[in-house]
Amino acid sequence: KQEVTQIPAALSVPEGENLVLNCSFTDSAIYNLQWFRQDPGKGLTSLLLIQSSQREQTSGRLNASLDKSSGRSTLYIAASQPGDSATYLCAVSPNSGYSTLTFGKGTMLLVSP
Amino acid sequence: DTEVTQTPKHLVMGMTNKKSLKCEQHMGHRAMYWYKQKAKKPPELMFVYSYEKLSINESVPSRFSPECPNSSLLNLHLHALQPEDSALYLCASSLSAFGDTQYFGPGTRLTVL
Repeated sequence: KQEVTQIPAALSVPEGENLVLNCSFTDSAIYNLQWFRQDPGKGLTSLLLIQSSQREQTSGRLNASLDKSSGRSTLYIAASQPGDSATYLCAVSPNSGYSTLTFGKGTMLLVSP
Repeated sequence: DTEVTQTPKHLVMGMTNKKSLKCEQHMGHRAMYWYKQKAKKPPELMFVYSYEKLSINESVPSRFSPECPNSSLLNLHLHALQPEDSALYLCASSLSAFGDTQYFGPGTRLTVL
């Protein structure tokens, strides 16, 4: 059974810092990996999707990398801002069958002014 | 437009009530999903619909009854719920049920008294 772990569980940084969130998964037979953002009490916003054949994806200040063979992904946030404060979730979908996302428990990020 | 809408935003119901949650998307997506998220936990998949047919039921109790009347609409009918069913219920959709980005709605916050 796929298990997804995110480290750290919580992170507090001052504004302007660059930071890295980590995600690991136990079964490398994935189709893709998605990073989501969730604000308190709200739905999920898709940030980046990396196909299993890709190594990284970039969107603005966000860069996600994927090392499928080692079962790891990182989300790099450059020049963090208070508006980045949220919980960040990674999720993987299997490489066969339906896209049943398995989520990690998330990293709660607080960026202070 | 990558919007998934959900109504109502909040719902309080007694254990003997019958209520329904509604989810709508107009992106032409053919896969729709229901997730349940408890506080400080990741979302857990409940149901997957592909081309308006129920494809996955993750052993969800029968007091939750999904319905997909057409490709744009997904309902979740609730009956005889328990207080432990209180959670944020998230709907998502994707172009297909095989590896495409899932777009989430804002969720319905359900409280069962």
